[in-house]
Amino acid sequence: NAGVTQTPKFQVLKTGQSMTLQCAQDMNHEYMSWYRQDPGMGLRLIHYSVGAGITDQGEVPNGYNVSRSTTEDFPLRLLSAAPSQTSVYFCASSYSPVAKNIQYFGAGTRLSVL
Amino acid sequence: DAKTTQPPSMDCAEGRAANLPCNHSTISGNEYVYWYRQIHSQGPQYIIHGLKNNETNEMASLIITEDRKSSTLILPHATLRDTAVYYCIVRVDSTSGTYKYIFGTGTRLKVLA
Repeated sequence: NAGVTQTPKFQVLKTGQSMTLQCAQDMNHEYMSWYRQDPGMGLRLIHYSVGAGITDQGEVPNGYNVSRSTTEDFPLRLLSAAPSQTSVYFCASSYSPVAKNIQYFGAGTRLSVL
Repeated sequence: DAKTTQPPSMDCAEGRAANLPCNHSTISGNEYVYWYRQIHSQGPQYIIHGLKNNETNEMASLIITEDRKSSTLILPHATLRDTAVYYCIVRVDSTSGTYKYIFGTGTRLKVLA
């Protein structure tokens, strides 16, 4: 039982490049989400999914795409990387039902866009 | 659109109780209050959650006011390893019918030797 696995742990991109941050969980969790954390700041919600095939926007969705084709995986795509997307990205998953929703977080992906 | 407010920072002497407040005045009747903490730049870690009654586990206690508009996380005997950012969150219902969790900026707790 690996929990929530994020890859890669570190990534450096050039402005305009695209890439996909991977997130996988082996706990059969329905709910998954992506957050970004800038230095000295709190976590901001990018996108989330309440189940396979269902995604929705969080606080800061612009510049990112997501899809949820399986319960296990929730990749985050940067379409055209910008320096403002330099941040630490955290993926989280949790079991639904809605009433109790304890989230488990991955170790994060540290992204630098030059 | 965070539904909680917390003080930005607090200090606590090692060995003393740390009491971290959170205001969630717009909470709905069936929503839980969750507390997480983040040590350094690690992923946030779940601490405790509650609905109406006070809760206690091996990490902390959670005191929820009777009107449920605020709560306090209590670390009974704070240690240096409890230095972290503590987040209080509740569910936010989306207009699309889904729900999400907004973390806000949290409280930066510094435990002093």
